[in-house]
Amino acid sequence: AQSVTQPDIHITVSEGASLELRCNYSYGATPYLFWYVQSPGQGLQLLLKYFSGDTLVQGIKGFEAEFKRSQSSFNLRKPSVHWSDAAEYFCAVAYNYGQNFVFGPGTRLSVLP
Amino acid sequence: SQTIHQWPATLVQPVGSPLSLECTVEGTSNPNLYWYRQAAGRGLQLLFYSVGIGQISSEVPQNLSASRPQDRQFILSSKKLLLSDSGFYLCAWSLYAAEKLFFGSGTQLSVL
Repeated sequence: AQSVTQPDIHITVSEGASLELRCNYSYGATPYLFWYVQSPGQGLQLLLKYFSGDTLVQGIKGFEAEFKRSQSSFNLRKPSVHWSDAAEYFCAVAYNYGQNFVFGPGTRLSVLP
Repeated sequence: SQTIHQWPATLVQPVGSPLSLECTVEGTSNPNLYWYRQAAGRGLQLLFYSVGIGQISSEVPQNLSASRPQDRQFILSSKKLLLSDSGFYLCAWSLYAAEKLFFGSGTQLSVL
């Protein structure tokens, strides 16, 4: 079965520090990969997605992610974190010709001033 | 532009009572529609998805059901709520397969 793991439940970084959120997936074919961000009590907003091509994808709010097929990973990065980045981050895989999405358990990001 | 409406925003229901959560999408046709549940401190669990009117696929067997009576309307229902049904319910849509999901603002359901 398809699955997505995010090993870090909670990460705390200082404002201005770099950030990397890890995501690993289990899927037999070429995946469609996504990162979403969720503010408390709100729906999810897409940060970026990977379908094919360049394995380094750029997203909104200064985020980027790199697809590594050999490691089945799609880690999210940001060179300098802002206090407004504090939120829950979800990695997701789309399967069944893209009709179904499987989400990871999420990583909660806290930002220290 | 496309918008998604989900209501109510919060709901407190007693155990054994019925449930009806509604989601509508505007500004597009024949969207793929999804219901997700997010339990406290956990990720999103796909409950149902629909690729067309009357076409519902269930990912997880439970006491919830979904219906799609119109192209852009998706309803989540239960005849008798359980305590374990508490959670944050999110409706979402996508226009094409593997295209990004657009999420509603969610419904916080508390079953007491």
